[in-house]
Amino acid sequence: EIVMTQSPATLSVSPGERATLSCRASQSVSSNLAWYQQKPGQAPRLLIFGASTRATGIPARFSGSGSGTEFTLTISSLQSEDFAVYYCQQYNNWPPVTFGGGTKVEI
Amino acid sequence: EVQLVESGGGLVQPGGSLRLSCVASGFTFSSYEMNWVRQAPGKGLEWVSYITGSGSRIYYTDSLKGRFTISRDNAKNSLYLQMDSLRAEDTAIYYCARESAMGAALDSWGQGTLVIVSS
Repeated sequence: EIVMTQSPATLSVSPGERATLSCRASQSVSSNLAWYQQKPGQAPRLLIFGASTRATGIPARFSGSGSGTEFTLTISSLQSEDFAVYYCQQYNNWPPVTFGGGTKVEI
Repeated sequence: EVQLVESGGGLVQPGGSLRLSCVASGFTFSSYEMNWVRQAPGKGLEWVSYITGSGSRIYYTDSLKGRFTISRDNAKNSLYLQMDSLRAEDTAIYYCARESAMGAALDSWGQGTLVIVSS
């Protein structure tokens, strides 16, 4: 099973600032990596798939990069609605699909 | 608009059973692979099970040890999860999620249904 490790666990940023979230895989997942956003009381929402492709309707301030074992989600200028928990997920070697533990982005 | 609506959660005693349902609309259900993902209170996401569009291929997370059964009825646009021998550690919100046509990312999620296993 591929273990996904996200860092930091919590990221404190101010609105308008840039946020950089990291995700590391225990072995290569090529570019088969997705990012999700989850707000309190809501289901996760797909942001990025294929490591760097934005899902439909996702603003351009969200960008993903990386391949192999190291990945980054960047939010270029945080808006109030971006404060949430973010999860990475690998779907290269499955089953099982595996998720990281999440990064909480807080004010 | 793609919609996934789960139901069937509730409070059940340890050792009991529940059947979750997920009704899909807004897309050709039979053409998509589907998953169940769960989230324990205050915890992260855990993939539970997967089924192909035809139902011909099914996978489960190892920790379930044969207690859960995924199925689908394409005529009813519905996905199911039969959960038997429930344990306290199965307490979670259960989401059904559609797999993207462009890979195994999960591009649409239901609102979830809460399962509480407690005496």
